Parts: sequence; structure tokens; C-alpha cells
Amino acid sequence: AQTVTQSQPEMSVQEAETVTLSCTYDTSESDYYLFWYKQPPSRQMILVIRQEAYKQQNATENRFSVNFQKAAKSFSLKISDSQLGDAAMYFCAYRGDTGSYQLTFGKGTKLSVIP
Amino acid sequence: EAQVTQNPRYLITVTGKKLTVTCSQNMNHEYMSWYRQDPGLGLRQIYYSMNVEVTDKGDVPEGYKVSRKEKRNFPLILESPSPNQTSLYFCASSSSDRGRNQPQHFGDGTRLSIL
Repeated sequence: AQTVTQSQPEMSVQEAETVTLSCTYDTSESDYYLFWYKQPPSRQMILVIRQEAYKQQNATENRFSVNFQKAAKSFSLKISDSQLGDAAMYFCAYRGDTGSYQLTFGKGTKLSVIP
Repeated sequence: EAQVTQNPRYLITVTGKKLTVTCSQNMNHEYMSWYRQDPGLGLRQIYYSMNVEVTDKGDVPEGYKVSRKEKRNFPLILESPSPNQTSLYFCASSSSDRGRNQPQHFGDGTRLSIL
């Protein structure tokens, strides 16, 4: 079974600075999909960014980018120019290329942004 | 507006009293899923459905039932709730005919407290 590990339960960053959230996963599949979701205090689950494993280029969405290292099974999220609204729980998630469409989530990283 | 709607948002009830949490999506998605979120554990899948009349167990199905009689609806049923089912519940949906890179769209969550 696939597992997703987020080793940082909590992190903090100064406003306008850059922070990187780590995520590693374990899988025997060669093709799969990775996602970062943000959960603000409102509890909504909001997609931040996604990456297909067969694409070598790292995904980017405005201030959010990933560092995808397939051989190392690592999928970190970089937030540049951090803003107060970035404060939230961040979840890394994995979906395989076969079988069900299940998303396997990590346990989350709580990000605080310091003004 | 594309959305996943869950009801109720909050519910406090007592052990053994049957309850249903409704979930409806307006995006014509084939895949629907239920998760529970507990502190320190992230999101764990309860049940999922690949299409009408097709459901299967996720990682933590004990004590729950689901049905998928219509494409848009996927209710979660607790026949005899117990205090260990106190949690935050999310319904999610995604397209399965446009590839596995499609993100899941989440409802706003249902906070259940079983006394």
C-alpha cells in the first residue's frame, strides 16, 4: 500500500519570506499523481498544485511551486513571498495510476505566517 | 457554480441513533468518496464509488454504509453511531473519464459529535 509522509507537523515563516514543506511517499508504481491541498481555518480543502509523475518539469502555480524528485520519492512544496492568507494546514496526497481513484493523504503540516 | 454540498455542517447526537450525512455534486462526476479527518491522522478514506451502484470500502469502513443510487448523490450512513466516530467528515468527487490527474473537489465538511 502506498504511504505518504509529511515529517514536519508544524512550521512557521515570516511574511514575505519563502518556506518549503516536505513530503515523501512510498510506491511501487511508475506512473502516479501528486497533489498539495490547503486547509485554512474555514476547513475547506483547496487544491494548491498537482504534478504528474511522468512529467519531469516541476509544476508551478503563481507563488507555489514543487520540487519533484522521482527517484527519491520526494514532493516538496515551496511557497514564495509568504502572505498571511497562506496560514493553513497543508496536505500532500498521492493517487496511483491503476486501481481505484483513492487519494492517500499525509498527516499534514500546519503552517503559521508571522507578520 | 461547481460544488459539492454536504449536509448538515454540524451535528451533535447520541450513541446508537441512526444518522445520514448527505452529499450532492453538480459536476456530473463519476467518482465520489467519503473521508474522515482526525487530528494527527490526516484524511482517511471511508468508502468510495466509481459510478452509480458501484461502491467499495476504503481504509476505515467499519461502522459506515453508503449508497449510490443516483450519480449526483452519495450519502454516508451511520446505523449505530459510537463516540469513536466523532470526527470531521468530507465528501469529495472527481471526474474519472478525464484522467487520474483530475483533482478531487471537496465539500465544506461535516463536524459530527457522538455523545
